[in-house]
Amino acid sequence: QVQLQESGPGLVKPSGTLSLTCAVSGGSISSSNWWSWVRQPPGKGLEWIGEIYHSGSTNYNPSLKSRVTISVDKSKNQFSLKLSSVTAADTAVYYCARVVGGSDAFDIWGQGTMVTVSS
Amino acid sequence: QSALTQPRSVSGSPGQSVTISCTGTSSDVGGYNYVSWYQQHPGKAPKLMIYDVSKRPSGVPDRFSGSKSGNTASLTISGLQAEDEADYYCCSYAGSFTGVVFGGGTKLTVL
Repeated sequence: QVQLQESGPGLVKPSGTLSLTCAVSGGSISSSNWWSWVRQPPGKGLEWIGEIYHSGSTNYNPSLKSRVTISVDKSKNQFSLKLSSVTAADTAVYYCARVVGGSDAFDIWGQGTMVTVSS
Repeated sequence: QSALTQPRSVSGSPGQSVTISCTGTSSDVGGYNYVSWYQQHPGKAPKLMIYDVSKRPSGVPDRFSGSKSGNTASLTISGLQAEDEADYYCCSYAGSFTGVVFGGGTKLTVL
């Protein structure tokens, strides 16, 4: 079955760029699914960041759009997140997730990775 | 402030039923049949429980059901069990500009 695994630095300096990768195993990133990033600040709720299709088409949360880039690497079966100009408010657990085909629900999630923004 | 409004907490005794509401607008919950619900235990990733308002993924017990009326969606859990104690989040598609929005989450306590 499809599994997702996030990876990347756990600590990022303020004003820097947060970079994470989500490796897809047990299935192809070129399937008819979109692939998303969702984050959760400590003790708070979930926030959708954006999504990508294997063709490279993307959709972003308008509140983050100016700072977010999501890309896909089909050769490595993975997709990535870059969030620029980070502040302490970007400290969160970051999850990658698969979007159910034909819907907008997230049926498979990675375990999540904690990213702290601090000097 | 979350786009969708959920009660902060609900509770029930084992065997009882509880319903968690999720109120949005005609631009999200009321405008599309793309409401989903997630269960999250502490320190764990969310788990999809309901999608497309009322569909259950394979493996989710039929004690979990979803519905929608106007701008409000609901998750009902019948025959409460201790392992149902968790945070629950609703989620809705909100159009091509906004994308996807979540509720603030509801903590379910099984008494």
